[in-house]
Amino acid sequence: AQTVTQSQPEMSVQEAETVTLSCTYDTSESNYYLFWYKQPPSRQMILVIRQEAYKQQNATENRFSVNFQKAAKSFSLKISDSQLGDTAMYFCAFMGGSQGNLIFGKGTKLSVKP
Amino acid sequence: EPEVTQTPSHQVTQMGQEVILRCVPISNHLYFYWYRQILGQKVEFLVSFYNNEISEKSEIFDDQFSVERPDGSNFTLKIRSTKLEDSAMYFCASRGRLVQYFGPGTRLTVT
Repeated sequence: AQTVTQSQPEMSVQEAETVTLSCTYDTSESNYYLFWYKQPPSRQMILVIRQEAYKQQNATENRFSVNFQKAAKSFSLKISDSQLGDTAMYFCAFMGGSQGNLIFGKGTKLSVKP
Repeated sequence: EPEVTQTPSHQVTQMGQEVILRCVPISNHLYFYWYRQILGQKVEFLVSFYNNEISEKSEIFDDQFSVERPDGSNFTLKIRSTKLEDSAMYFCASRGRLVQYFGPGTRLTVT
């Protein structure tokens, strides 16, 4: 069974600084997809970024980028120029190629301080 | 931009009562999901639905749960006899090709 591990329950960063959130996963599948979702206090789940496992290039979306290390089964999220609005829970999620459901990690609570 | 909607936003019910949570997925999506999140815990998969039938379900999705797409637009989750431990945030999601888009959730409180 696939598992997703986020080892940092809480993190904080100063506004405008850079922060990296860690995620590791375990799977025997070769075809899969990885996601980072953000959950602000409103509790809405918002997609931040996605990565297809077959792509070697790391995904980037504006201030958000990932470091995808397939051999190490690692998928970290880097947030550059942190903003107060980035304060939220961040969930790493795995979707296997043969299944459609997402498997989530326990989340990292990120606080951006002014 | 199309979005997933859910109603109600908050439902309070007594233990043993039936509840129906409603979702309107994005119109051209074909895959639909229900997840739940107990307060302070991670998001857990309940069930997926494709081509008018359940495609996968988790251990959580036992006989007290059912899903339906009654009219081609709504996607519902029914809990037949609620328990205290069913109190959680319930999220609906829909998927077109790859990405799942989530609704705002329904907070279910069982008293």
